Amino acid sequence: DGGITQSPKYLFRKEGQNVTLSCEQNLNHDAMYWYRQDPGQGLRLIYYSQIVNDFQKGDIAEGYSVSREKKESFPLTVTSAQKNPTAFYLCASSILHANTEAFFGQGTRLTVV
Amino acid sequence: QQQVKQSPQSLIVQKGGISIINCAYENTAFDYFPWYQQFPGKGPALLIAIRPDVSEKKEGRFTISFNKSAKQFSLHIMDSQPGDSATYFCAAGGEKLTFGTGTRLTIIP
Repeated sequence: DGGITQSPKYLFRKEGQNVTLSCEQNLNHDAMYWYRQDPGQGLRLIYYSQIVNDFQKGDIAEGYSVSREKKESFPLTVTSAQKNPTAFYLCASSILHANTEAFFGQGTRLTVV
Repeated sequence: QQQVKQSPQSLIVQKGGISIINCAYENTAFDYFPWYQQFPGKGPALLIAIRPDVSEKKEGRFTISFNKSAKQFSLHIMDSQPGDSATYFCAAGGEKLTFGTGTRLTIIP
């Protein structure tokens, strides 16, 4: 089945630890995105990438890092510099850019204690 | 930061009624306006989308109305059903999407 796979579904980490969230797609999409979802705030863009080895900051990139070494993969690292990392993280992909349908993964709920 | 303002925050509609959710945007360069539906614990899924060269698009029970001069667009769900109970997000953009804050829709019998 084609789609976007995020893993794990739930993730717990201690404060001060870096954590990496996985996102893999087999849709042959060029563009990939990371969003953060908090109650009452909708989806906010963290980073996006339109081509391998290139990515752009979104609206809330501070405390996060990404890499795009392969077309299929776009992992997100939540660093210890992120002040409030507990949230629901969503990965998405689209053919070229967001001006076409974006397909979302099932999300990773990160809890930092 | 370009904003997309969405209202209402929550909405309760009786089964068979019409659900209406509104959004307003600021950036006139936006050229793609999708609506996403999200169920609890799941990722959003595209419901319907419109481009600014048309004023209305209908797909089944779902209709987008688009007013370019007012920079507003809305989602209408006709004959609302309990299975439509979900959170709905509008979005706008081009190279990247800006999302509204979401509307939690509840359809009651």
